[in-house]
Amino acid sequence: QSALTQPASVSGSPGQSITISCTGASSDVGSYNFVSWYQQHPGKAPKLMIYEVTKRPSGVSDRLSGSKSANTASLTISGLQAEDEADYYCSSYAGSGTFVFGTGTKVTVL
Amino acid sequence: QVQLVESGGGVVQPGRSLRLSCAASGFSFSSYAMHWVRQAPGKGLEWVAVTSYEGVNKYYVDSVKGRFTISRDNSMNTLYLQMNSLRGEDTAVYYCARDGEKYGYSFGPDYWGQGTLVTVSS
Repeated sequence: QSALTQPASVSGSPGQSITISCTGASSDVGSYNFVSWYQQHPGKAPKLMIYEVTKRPSGVSDRLSGSKSANTASLTISGLQAEDEADYYCSSYAGSGTFVFGTGTKVTVL
Repeated sequence: QVQLVESGGGVVQPGRSLRLSCAASGFSFSSYAMHWVRQAPGKGLEWVAVTSYEGVNKYYVDSVKGRFTISRDNSMNTLYLQMNSLRGEDTAVYYCARDGEKYGYSFGPDYWGQGTLVTVSS
């Protein structure tokens, strides 16, 4: 049950694209397509942004997209906006009913 | 709309117990698995436990096994987390969250409550 590895911080200018990686193992990210991404603003609850690797819940901007290759999932934010500044966490089903979250990435809009 | 409201947090001494509750509304509570997720101050999210929709299957992160018990009362639309033998490292905001898959539990959390703070300190 080791945390998935994310970069501590990623930054970009308005309008640019950024990508956040989420590296796990063959027992979690590599084995299941139950990878989700959450956005969390300071003092707020997390909000689901991507589920099942690539799907967006209703109401989530299409500037966000998800992908996965082997043991690494990725979240791309295109056309970066000030409102995207937040912490982002990935999560994955890890088998036997358990889940694991990523270490978290702070996104800064320059 | 889906609403999850946690309660029961507070300051507790190491070794003591605390029970958290999560009142659910706006969806068919008895059809969804439910999770507890915690976040230590200034730290990342940590998945704690999940209970299946009917309360039969329960799974925990290793660090709380044998100390925490997740349960639910589908007649009251309420989720619980009984926390025993509390330690300083259990200090965190505890969130309840609904699983995104009806009758399953491998999807992961979709809707989250606002959290309740548990502080373990002497």
